[in-house]
Amino acid sequence: KNQVEQSPQSLIILEGKNCTLQCNYTVSPFSNLRWYKQDTGRGPVSLTIMTFSENTKSNGRYTATLDADTKQSSLHITASQLSDSASYICVVSEWGSQGNLIFGKGTKLSVKP
Amino acid sequence: NAGVTQTPKFQVLKTGQSMTLQCAQDMNHEYMSWYRQDPGMGLRLIHYSVGAGITDQGEVPNGYNVSRSTTEDFPLRLLSAAPSQTSVYFCASSSFPITDTQYFGPGTRLTVL
Repeated sequence: KNQVEQSPQSLIILEGKNCTLQCNYTVSPFSNLRWYKQDTGRGPVSLTIMTFSENTKSNGRYTATLDADTKQSSLHITASQLSDSASYICVVSEWGSQGNLIFGKGTKLSVKP
Repeated sequence: NAGVTQTPKFQVLKTGQSMTLQCAQDMNHEYMSWYRQDPGMGLRLIHYSVGAGITDQGEVPNGYNVSRSTTEDFPLRLLSAAPSQTSVYFCASSSFPITDTQYFGPGTRLTVL
């Protein structure tokens, strides 16, 4: 069964610190992997999209990595800010499907002053 | 551009009532979809559409109907509301479902008593 697992479930860090969120998936065949940021009470916003051939993609202080061989991805946040407090969702799409995006449950990040 | 808009933002229904959640996008996207988000679970796909006149079921379609008469609009109909449909509903659109950025609306929080 296609699944996306994220860890940790929640994380608390101090402002200015770095952190790394993990995503493991079993989706096959693989098309691409996305990371979304979802602020409380808002819709998800896309941070990065990576295809099979991409190992790293950055968006400002957010850097996503992908190892398609081990089916793992990480999202690294550098010099965290209070506004980074949100849920971060890993999403994997299945090659050949028209709408099959498999969503992880998300990691809830809290950045404290 | 307004992006993806959803109305209403909040709704309370009684069991058995019907209603329509509205979704509109002004980006000329072909692909539109509806998700529900429940506590402790990832977003789950209800229905999607790859263009006007074309719709298909997602992971959790029971109790919901959709239609796509125009590129811009993709309403979601609850036929006979049940407490199990209490959730936050998100509409999303993209120009191509698998490889392109997906844009989400702000969500509709629905409570069924």
